[in-house]
Amino acid sequence: ELKVEQNPLFLSMQEGKNYTIYCNYSTTSDRLYWYRQDPGKSLESLFVLLSNGAVKQEGRLMASLDTKARLSTLHITAAVHDLSATYFCAVDGSGGGADGLTFGKGTHLIIQP
Amino acid sequence: EAGVVQSPRYKIIEKKQPVAFWCNPISGHNTLYWYRQNLGQGPELLIRYENEEAVDDSQLPKDRFSAERLKGVDSTLKIQPAELGDSAVYLCASSFTLQGVRGYTFGSGTRLTVV
Repeated sequence: ELKVEQNPLFLSMQEGKNYTIYCNYSTTSDRLYWYRQDPGKSLESLFVLLSNGAVKQEGRLMASLDTKARLSTLHITAAVHDLSATYFCAVDGSGGGADGLTFGKGTHLIIQP
Repeated sequence: EAGVVQSPRYKIIEKKQPVAFWCNPISGHNTLYWYRQNLGQGPELLIRYENEEAVDDSQLPKDRFSAERLKGVDSTLKIQPAELGDSAVYLCASSFTLQGVRGYTFGSGTRLTVV
């Protein structure tokens, strides 16, 4: 059974600070997705990481993937209030087909002025 | 592009009543998924369709849940009878593959409250 674990589950931080969210998974899959979810909203795709060593950046967010360690990170640089949301990592099935995503429990991020 | 369309957005029903959710995926997306998201949790896969065939329904509680995807386009998910523990957001998603990269698009979800 594929397991995806995120930590921390809750994070309160001040604007301007840096922090990292960690995502560990239990399969050999090299397809890792990051999503953002605002309260009462659906999932917004942030990044798709497809290979070992992949790094993607968008604004203040940067995601990386280490398939050997089965670890992905989402780094927040100089946080701003607008980044407050819940962030999910998800792993695609390792069966080669469209197996669907297995999600972590999410990291609820609050950024305070 | 309209995206994945779900309806209704909200539904409140009494326990033991039936309820149905509808999903229209993005045109051309052959794979469709239903997920359930409990409060404070990540989405969990219920069922996956490839065209009109349910290829993975191992997580679908078959005693009360059913789904169909006639003609391989839109889909409905039904609960009968609903229980208090079914209160959750039900998300529909569809996927495509472009140059070896699979992309998933989620709908806005149906928030079900069973009272």
